[in-house]
Amino acid sequence: AQSVTQPDIHITVSEGASLELRCNYSYGATPYLFWYVQSPGQGLQLLLKYFSGDTLVQGIKGFEAEFKRSQSSFNLRKPSVHWSDAAEYFCAVGVRNDYKLSFGAGTTVTVRA
Amino acid sequence: GAGVSQSPSNKVTEKGKDVELRCDPISGHTALYWYRQSLGQGLEFLIYFQGNSAPDKSGLPSDRFSAERTGGSVSTLTIQRTQQEDSAVYLCASSSTGWDGYGYTFGSGTRLTVV
Repeated sequence: AQSVTQPDIHITVSEGASLELRCNYSYGATPYLFWYVQSPGQGLQLLLKYFSGDTLVQGIKGFEAEFKRSQSSFNLRKPSVHWSDAAEYFCAVGVRNDYKLSFGAGTTVTVRA
Repeated sequence: GAGVSQSPSNKVTEKGKDVELRCDPISGHTALYWYRQSLGQGLEFLIYFQGNSAPDKSGLPSDRFSAERTGGSVSTLTIQRTQQEDSAVYLCASSSTGWDGYGYTFGSGTRLTVV
């Protein structure tokens, strides 16, 4: 079964600084990879996804993620964070012909002024 | 509807009581999922519906948990004889087919507190 690890429980970043959130997955074949964001009291919103092709994926809100097969990673990045980016971020992995997603435990991002 | 709607948004119940959580998916979405999010944990898969049938109930933690879906639309998750460890946010999601590769659309969740 696939699994997802988000090594960082909490990250604090200054507004305007860059952000990188780590995600490592365990799966034998090429997985489908997702990043979701959850603001307080809200459901999860899809930021971006990777299925195949270009390993650098662009998403909403200025986020991007890079799939690195050799490292089994799918790290999320943003060049310049805004206060509104403070939220919890979840990495998820799915496999073809399976409907379940496996989620990481999440990384909470705090943005300081 | 325009999005996935869940009700109630918050529920406080006494230990031992039964609770029902409701999910109204996006109109036309045939697949519906329930996940549970406990404090400091990721999302835990509970059950998947395709239409009115549930091909996979493997994530339900115990026989106190059950779910149904009627008319290929609204789903209800029922927890009987609630325990404190049931306290969590219960998230519902839907997608247009069983696996359309686009991920899910989530509702805002029901925060269940068992006291």
